Amino acid sequence: QVQLVESGGGVVQPGGSLRISCASSRLTFSSYGMHWVRQAPGKGLEWLAFIRYDGKYMSYGDSVKGRFVISRDNSRSILYLQMNSLRIEDTAVYYCTTEQNILVFDIWGQGTEVIVS
Amino acid sequence: QAGLTQPPSVSKGLRQTATLTCTGNSNNVGFQGAVWLQQLQGHPPKLLSYRNNNRPSGISDRFSASRSGNTASLTITGLQPEDEADYYCSAWDSSLTGWVFGGGTTLTVL
Repeated sequence: QVQLVESGGGVVQPGGSLRISCASSRLTFSSYGMHWVRQAPGKGLEWLAFIRYDGKYMSYGDSVKGRFVISRDNSRSILYLQMNSLRIEDTAVYYCTTEQNILVFDIWGQGTEVIVS
Repeated sequence: QAGLTQPPSVSKGLRQTATLTCTGNSNNVGFQGAVWLQQLQGHPPKLLSYRNNNRPSGISDRFSASRSGNTASLTITGLQPEDEADYYCSAWDSSLTGWVFGGGTTLTVL
């Protein structure tokens, strides 16, 4: 079964940095675009960032532009999100999810929790 | 990032039909339509419908999506207790060059 597993979440102070990861298994990772989406406690979903299958195009949501960087290592089938200048409002569960052609947000990980406090 | 508009809550009876709406503009919903996701309490979201109102494999045909202008809709027929969940719409926004989500609708099956 195809799986995405996020890791690297934890507690960080405001202004700090954290890198979270999303490892894939049984997925042809290099043929999928990948997104990061987060969900603050008790709130809805917020799209954060996208990276194309080859890593040559990225786009970001306004709330994280200039602070977060999405990247990928296709040789290891891992997606990353480097989060800098963290704010209390970045506290959320962070999910990675896939895109292939018109099939967007098809496969999701279980999420990793980031607490900025 | 401007979001899509969804009613916060909808309540319907068992075996009834619920229609959830998602309103955007010509840059997002009106541009390429919306995707719909279901999120059960304590679980990650699950894709129900994607562009051109297609259903991923394994999704019940009780779920159907449609679009009229800048408003997308998700219709759920024969409501079951397991349909109680939060439902989110999302769309690519060509002016923002990014994805936007609706605030979500909590569906209660009475």
